[in-house]
Amino acid sequence: DQQVKQNSPSLSVQEGRISILNCDYTNSMFDYFLWYKKYPAEGPTFLISISSIKDKNEDGRFTVFLNKSAKHLSLHIVPSQPGDSAVYFCAASVRDYKLSFGAGTTVTVRA
Amino acid sequence: ETGVTQSPTHLIKTRGQQVTLRCSSQSGHNTVSWYQQALGQGPQFIFQYYREEENGRGNFPPRFSGLQFPNYSSELNVNALELDDSALYLCASSPWEGEAFFGQGTRLTVV
Repeated sequence: DQQVKQNSPSLSVQEGRISILNCDYTNSMFDYFLWYKKYPAEGPTFLISISSIKDKNEDGRFTVFLNKSAKHLSLHIVPSQPGDSAVYFCAASVRDYKLSFGAGTTVTVRA
Repeated sequence: ETGVTQSPTHLIKTRGQQVTLRCSSQSGHNTVSWYQQALGQGPQFIFQYYREEENGRGNFPPRFSGLQFPNYSSELNVNALELDDSALYLCASSPWEGEAFFGQGTRLTVV
């Protein structure tokens, strides 16, 4: 049962523009949400997180928005840079326990 | 650089064999988790260890087992390998509360 879903397998965006990645979840017990970035032949790298008590968290070019009523979160990257080309995973957990991951979205930033 | 290292990076085994994968966690991280990432999917939780005790398990059969040692190293053992066990195996360490830091993974191929 896939509790975290990323319905867009890929996203192509022009350098300098905004990248918006979306994620939906079904388990209302999730209280901590994370985004990871993964390059080929490397493990996932932590990008940004948000607790369920917040609706927005910002870190430099990265902002995560959480809409609990819709069970939806999104990651905004502004401006997009060529080095942002990677696979992005949305993950969620209950009280810092196991992470449930989405299937990932491959982002390609075009020059 | 996450401070989490896994060995080996690549491995080829024959169906029915046994395999041991190793992980060295960050110093001070009491929690280690193992994930299986099949091609085109997000990582799937196998199990978690906290202070050398299993602290939870995902939907994996008993032939997947693990150990955590006092020196922040851990092992994932898989017996009676099946073709579907071919995947990237990721180790992640974390303090009890906080984001997980992943190693680069071990690519296991079962033939």
